[in-house]
Amino acid sequence: DSGVTQTPKHLITATGQRVTLRCSPRSGDLSVYWYQQSLDQGLQFLIHYYNGEERAKGNILERFSAQQFPDLHSELNLSSLELGDSALYFCASSVAGEAFFGQGTRLTVV
Amino acid sequence: QKEVEQDPGPLSVPEGAIVSLNCTYSNSAFQYFMWYRQYSRKGPELLMYTYSSGNKEDGRFTAQVDKSSKYISLFIRDSQPSDSATYLCAMSQYNTDKLIFGTGTRLQVFP
Repeated sequence: DSGVTQTPKHLITATGQRVTLRCSPRSGDLSVYWYQQSLDQGLQFLIHYYNGEERAKGNILERFSAQQFPDLHSELNLSSLELGDSALYFCASSVAGEAFFGQGTRLTVV
Repeated sequence: QKEVEQDPGPLSVPEGAIVSLNCTYSNSAFQYFMWYRQYSRKGPELLMYTYSSGNKEDGRFTAQVDKSSKYISLFIRDSQPSDSATYLCAMSQYNTDKLIFGTGTRLQVFP
């Protein structure tokens, strides 16, 4: 158990809908990262938050947004969903450069 | 060109074999190098973490970094069927928390 909690584990939704994925980092970790893993691609970095502030953005679509709350949990919002958004979404928290991943949310867009 | 290149495999070896997994990278600013293991689309788990050229050993695993060649390796000795997983390399620059991952190499160890 990495100590990083993601909910829900599975999500099935229709195209055009909006969903929210939630991540609770390990106790004491201030950084939260979001990654997308599609079937035919590796882990793609989406966004990084540190202590409530956005630190870095990767290949994150404009339809996607994220935030980190004062209690350090983070949410990834995906809107106007398309079939191609179906993927595993991981969050990770880190200390001293070592990242620890949650078990992921499997999103299926139908 | 991708910043990090990793052969996707699959790599199939018999139990007991020595496995060599490799990544090359193009960004000379990378300072920290990691190997992650991912089972069946579960969350990746950190195996090895290094920040300098040379070797680091942990049990049956040895991580090797050659910064001059921009090449990192993970060796698994006495491989076991339980080692069957996807292995991802990752790296980051100094003073940044952004990890760049390889696409992963799928390893299968058969009894």
